[in-house]
Formats: sequence, structure tokens, C-alpha cells
Amino acid sequence: DGGITQSPKYLFRKEGQNVTLSCEQNLNHDAMYWYRQDPGQGLRLIYYSQIVNDFQKGDIAEGYSVSREKKESFPLTVTSAQKNPTAFYLCASSPGTSGYTGELFFGEGSRLTVL
Amino acid sequence: GQNIDQPTEMTATEGAIVQINCTYQTSGFNGLFWYQQHAGEAPTFLSYNVLDGLEEKGRFSSFLSRSKGYSYLLLKELQMKDSASYLCAVVDSNYQLIWGAGTKLIIKP
Repeated sequence: DGGITQSPKYLFRKEGQNVTLSCEQNLNHDAMYWYRQDPGQGLRLIYYSQIVNDFQKGDIAEGYSVSREKKESFPLTVTSAQKNPTAFYLCASSPGTSGYTGELFFGEGSRLTVL
Repeated sequence: GQNIDQPTEMTATEGAIVQINCTYQTSGFNGLFWYQQHAGEAPTFLSYNVLDGLEEKGRFSSFLSRSKGYSYLLLKELQMKDSASYLCAVVDSNYQLIWGAGTKLIIKP
């Protein structure tokens, strides 16, 4: 079945450690996105990519990094520079290459907790 | 700044009808989405409105008034499985997606 797979579902990190969240899609979508979700707030865009080997910062990119070496994959690294990384992270994809022209397809999410 | 307002929480009874409102103030408008999100899960697409009027899809309907910056999601014949958060999101003039904080809907038997 086509879809988006995020891993791990739950992750615990010690302060000062970098962690990488995986996002893989087999929908043949061009655009991929990373969002952060905190209680009582709307989804906030971290990074997005509309084409392989290119990505753009979102509203809250500081302390995060991404890569897009393959169309199917868009991993997110949460670095030690991110001051408050405990959150629910959602990866999404869409077919469009010029902004939000259609619905987003989301992965199941990764919940990161910093100890 | 850009802003989307939704009620934080609503309660309704199984079998009843509930309307969840969303008002927005954005730089331009290129469409409005509604998503459903069960606790701890990913959002799933419900509807997309770009023209004024009502779009009906089974038990769910979505309404848009661009002149008023207003949309609502109407859920009929409520079921317990409809307990979830409902997210409103607007596409602005730069084709960026602006999200509301979501409305948590609690269904009581």
C-alpha cells in the first residue's frame, strides 16, 4: 500500500544529543514537509522540500536540519541547538511542486521526549 | 499577522449535529482545508473549499464565506468515533499553509 512511514514512533533523547527522524514515502510525491505539533498550538512548519536536492526553511527551522537526497526520503535531524525539542513531529507529502495545491498526506508521527 | 481562530473544545451528544467554526485573517486566500486528528495520530484530510458555499460529503459538510473570512465544519449523526480534534488550515497568497490550533470534539453517549 502507498503511504508515508515515519520512524521511530517514540524516541527519548538526552540533552546534548542529536537525533534523526526518518520519513519515507512511496506515493511518488514531489513535495515533502516536516511539522512540529505542540499542545494548544497549530502545526508549525520546520522545513519543506519541493524537489530532490533542494529544501527551504519553514517558520521554526532553528535547531533542525534536513536532507533530500532521494525523492522518497526526507529525514529530519533535531540537533542539540534546539532548545525545546520535546514535541510530536509529523512528516507529510503532497504531489504539488508549487505550494499547497492539494491535500497533505501525513505519516503516523514521531514523539520525541528529551530527558 | 496571520491568524486562524477555532474554539478550543466542544462537547456534543451521540446522534446529534455539531458545527465547528473557523475564522481567518490571512494575507490572501487560496483555499481552506479541514483535517481530522485522533489523539496521538496523524491528521487525515476531510475537505477543501476554495469557492463560497457548502460542500457535502456524507455525514460531514464544510461551508465557506470568503467575504466574511469564515468557514464551518458540520458533523451530522455523531458517532463516538468522531471524538477527535478538527484542524482548520488556510492557504495564503504565497501558497503557504496556515494552521489553526484545532478544536477538540468530545462526544458523549
